[in-house]
Amino acid sequence: DAGITQSPRHKVTETGTPVTLRCHQTENHRYMYWYRQDPGHGLRLIHYSYGVKDTDKGEVSDGYSVSRSKTEDFLLTLESATSSQTSVYFCAIRPYSGEQYFGPGTRLTVT
Amino acid sequence: DQQVKQNSPSLSVQEGRISILNCDYTNSMFDYFLWYKKYPAEGPTFLISISSIKDKNEDGRFTVFLNKSAKHLSLHIVPSQPGDSAVYFCAARVLVLTSGTYKYIFGTGTRLKVLA
Repeated sequence: DAGITQSPRHKVTETGTPVTLRCHQTENHRYMYWYRQDPGHGLRLIHYSYGVKDTDKGEVSDGYSVSRSKTEDFLLTLESATSSQTSVYFCAIRPYSGEQYFGPGTRLTVT
Repeated sequence: DQQVKQNSPSLSVQEGRISILNCDYTNSMFDYFLWYKKYPAEGPTFLISISSIKDKNEDGRFTVFLNKSAKHLSLHIVPSQPGDSAVYFCAARVLVLTSGTYKYIFGTGTRLKVLA
């Protein structure tokens, strides 16, 4: 295992509420990524980080923010959840080699 | 715009035969390509990769071919086994000049079913 966990694993929330998903790694890797997986869309990049306090937007960043105050944690926040953000969210870490290692995912339902 | 495309949503193959999964891309700045395998309720796992300077990479039953002129890559699985039944994603890497780091663009996935 690549030493990456996500919490919570499942969450149901109401429209308009804030939600924070946590990605935690024990590998001390510099690079971390957040994706969402939806039917017909595959995996789409939301935000990524290339160091503490260094983050950048991906292809579907609207409605999401991230923070990385320490190497091991990368937080994804939905400031005001909408039904279109119902999805499965995956975090990934990357060593200096090319491949990414993914966490087990968080299934988020916004009602 | 979908820069990485997997045009076949699903594929069924008989056990022992070859499975061929295809992927097309549009961005000529992609320099590294990867295949991931995903089982239900799990995160994707890395399978095999290829650099843009190569045209073939092999790892056991898995071979990835890259045709840069056609902007096409394929994953061959020989022989196919029932345990290979999963969703397969191709991904491409591109350098982000402003941050000096890489981001990865994924295709929509192909569901492979290997029939016993």
